[in-house]
Amino acid sequence: DAGVIQSPRHEVTEMGQEVTLRCKPISGHDYLFWYRQTMMRGLELLIYFNNNVPIDDSGMPEDRFSAKMPNASFSTLKIQPSEPRDSAVYFCASSSIYEQYFGPGTRLTVT
Amino acid sequence: AQKITQTQPGMFVQEKEAVTLDCTYDTSDPSYGLFWYKQPSSGEMIFLIYQGSYDQQNATEGRYSLNFQKARKSANLVISASQLGDSAMYFCAMFRGLGGAQKLVFGQGTRLTINP
Repeated sequence: DAGVIQSPRHEVTEMGQEVTLRCKPISGHDYLFWYRQTMMRGLELLIYFNNNVPIDDSGMPEDRFSAKMPNASFSTLKIQPSEPRDSAVYFCASSSIYEQYFGPGTRLTVT
Repeated sequence: AQKITQTQPGMFVQEKEAVTLDCTYDTSDPSYGLFWYKQPSSGEMIFLIYQGSYDQQNATEGRYSLNFQKARKSANLVISASQLGDSAMYFCAMFRGLGGAQKLVFGQGTRLTINP
């Protein structure tokens, strides 16, 4: 298996622009997680899905953030409008039982 | 609430020595899971090892073992015969409940440096 795939790997955008991060989980995994990593706050869970249904979005910082999972093999995390404080590495992870396998991350820089 | 504490911000170890990375946790739930992840300088998060709260034996995966002391609420990672490639950030994490995959709470990490 190719593992969890994320795109783009790097994204640089200007404040106010819309940003869409993409994730393809490992085939057969029915849980998908979005995390954010910053120096100040470490690794934080934003939202997770089970069988394409959002289960817990309490970590989503504000309404500018939204996530969707239209099918078992694809999820998006959207930030609109983006702000400099959104600069971070965003990880997608998937799981079938307990172990979560992470994608390579998307490094987002908002100027 | 769940909490993970890693008290060692950085560690320096000579190659081939064993190293123990500390992790303590706090939860009132009897069912939980504990993980260790490795994050090299390239940035990816690599799953190393998992321990369930009801597991009778300490988890082992190759050179990695988890020293699980339930009464002390500690889940230290032991790396035997360290290698230069072990230099990385190491994160301890836990979830509460065993009904399936759950959201993870991470510690702040320990930066391990292996010296030749």
